[in-house]
Amino acid sequence: KQEVTQIPAALSVPEGENLVLNCSFTDSAIYNLQWFRQDPGKGLTSLLLIQSSQREQTSGRLNASLDKSSGRSTLYIAASQPGDSATYLCAVDSSYKLIFGSGTRLLVRP
Amino acid sequence: DVKVTQSSRYLVKRTGEKVFLECVQDMDHENMFWYRQDPGLGLRLIYFSYDVKMKEKGDIPEGYSVSREKKERFSLILESASTNQTSMYLCASSTQVLDNSPLHFGNGTRLTVT
Repeated sequence: KQEVTQIPAALSVPEGENLVLNCSFTDSAIYNLQWFRQDPGKGLTSLLLIQSSQREQTSGRLNASLDKSSGRSTLYIAASQPGDSATYLCAVDSSYKLIFGSGTRLLVRP
Repeated sequence: DVKVTQSSRYLVKRTGEKVFLECVQDMDHENMFWYRQDPGLGLRLIYFSYDVKMKEKGDIPEGYSVSREKKERFSLILESASTNQTSMYLCASSTQVLDNSPLHFGNGTRLTVT
């Protein structure tokens, strides 16, 4: 059964810092991996999708990597801003449905 | 932009009531999903649908049913609400299976059962 783990559960950094969020999964047979952002009390917003054949995807200050063989993905946020404060969730698409990690709660301090 | 709309942001119901949560998407997506999100448990899939009148059980279907009579609308039904169904409910949609398209979420319905 696929399991997705995110470390750390919470992270607090000063504005301007580069940071890395980690996601690991137990079964490497995935179709894709997705990163989402969730603001308090809201739904999830899709940030990046990495197909199983890809190694990384970039969008603005965000870069996500995927290493299927080791069951790991990282989300790199460059030059963090207070507006980046949110919970970040990764999810793997296997068996026709997304399995989510429990998220990393990020606080970027001004 | 894809829009997934959930009919209520907040809902308070009594134990034993029949509850309908409605979700509508405007992008002609084939796939629709219902998740619930609870602190410490993350998002868990309740039901999903790949086509009109088609439904599949997710990981926690007990106490729920769904209806998809039209492609754009996916309803979640709590046949007899219980306090352990107090949660945030999130609807999502995407294009065809294995299309590698991202999941689009609504803003969620926070349901409280008293």
